[in-house]
Amino acid sequence: QVQIQQWGAGLLRPSQTLSLTCGVYGESFSIYYWNWIRQTPGKGLEWIAEINHGGGTKYNPSLKSRVTISVDTSKKQFSLKLSSVTAADTAVYYCPVFYPSGGFLTDSWGQGTQVTVSS
Amino acid sequence: EVVLTQSPGTLSLSPGERATLSCGASQGVSGNHLAWFQQRPGQAPRLIIYDAYNRATGIPDRFSGSGSGTVFSLTISRLEPEDFAVYYCGQSADLPFTFGPGTRVDI
Repeated sequence: QVQIQQWGAGLLRPSQTLSLTCGVYGESFSIYYWNWIRQTPGKGLEWIAEINHGGGTKYNPSLKSRVTISVDTSKKQFSLKLSSVTAADTAVYYCPVFYPSGGFLTDSWGQGTQVTVSS
Repeated sequence: EVVLTQSPGTLSLSPGERATLSCGASQGVSGNHLAWFQQRPGQAPRLIIYDAYNRATGIPDRFSGSGSGTVFSLTISRLEPEDFAVYYCGQSADLPFTFGPGTRVDI
């Protein structure tokens, strides 16, 4: 059983950098796809970025210039930084990881972090 | 970018009934890398189906996915009370990965 715990600042001023981290607890996995996804009532689900077990990364082109994702396998942690935030970055941020289990694909999600950008 | 549309917006059904949800793509989803997610109120989404028809680990067999190219569907054969939720389709074939607007399955 894999559990994901996420943490980070929930209230930011415009132009600041959003910083969120997710930690993995429970069983380990060698093949994985870590993602960051955010959700707003108006735009729905928006994919931000992915990093995999080989260190390969993929980014949403609309956010790429402001996004940095990284993984620390020794600490089993996965992080997101989003620079120069504006009110448009206000959303609930999730960090799902997808990995094979029992011959099939499965997922674990953090609890979500409400991030509000306001002056 | 691949734009996903979902229909209907809301599906009002009763426990025990069959639900059929549709997802359309603005262009072909290569490799049929189309997934379905379930989101219950106050919870994170959860993977139900991946690669169009494969059930994720632990998902009951009343959930089934089908389709290819630009037309996909999710069927719930007999609705259980816990199945009333919002369902999203998502594609991971092309960047950026994208999601549909969701279908709410209501009692």
